[in-house]
Amino acid sequence: GAGVSQSPRYKVAKRGQDVALRCDPISGHVSLFWYQQALGQGPEFLTYFQNEAQLDKSGLPSDRFFAERPEGSVSTLKIQRTQQEDSAVYLCASSLERGAMHIQYFGAGTRLSVL
Amino acid sequence: KQEVTQIPAALSVPEGENLVLNCSFTDSAIYNLQWFRQDPGKGLTSLLLIQSSQREQTSGRLNASLDKSSGRSTLYIAASQPGDSATYLCAVKDNAGNMLTFGGGTRLMVKP
Repeated sequence: GAGVSQSPRYKVAKRGQDVALRCDPISGHVSLFWYQQALGQGPEFLTYFQNEAQLDKSGLPSDRFFAERPEGSVSTLKIQRTQQEDSAVYLCASSLERGAMHIQYFGAGTRLSVL
Repeated sequence: KQEVTQIPAALSVPEGENLVLNCSFTDSAIYNLQWFRQDPGKGLTSLLLIQSSQREQTSGRLNASLDKSSGRSTLYIAASQPGDSATYLCAVKDNAGNMLTFGGGTRLMVKP
């Protein structure tokens, strides 16, 4: 596709429910990032992949958060036993080269609301 | 830990004004700095990227400057238009690590 695609665009979950958020990066992009953006704040880093390898997961807020990119393309961010504080926009970004040395292209995000 | 602050948090100006958005960061050991635009319900669009060795970058009516030693960057928007209304985010990439660290953003409204 022409850009980074994220699905679903909106997700409403009951507290305690598991959710899975999908990111389709730009074809051929090596690096993939997940960020969490709370209302009225800037995005905060969650995790980083270089191809299929998860090189940095220091931003994941708890062990309820898990991300994977098994074939080095599509990535899934999974949140288990969702809590109200997980409500946020989850942004995915991809970059042609490794790390953040090059421009990151962002998807429109998935807005998660936990009731 | 790198911290990025943006001032002001919100700004409302009449159309045609020149304006300056400010960004400061605590750790000057950065690799690059980016300014992004975010429209409601949309993702981030990169506006300008300044490498640590550069002092400024220009694109159309936008000019971004970087003073790494003082930990500051400014985004200058000339002749503002209603279409410039959006949230502007500043983000730095440190020499260590791969992620971007973002400021809280400046919500800009340009009134016709």
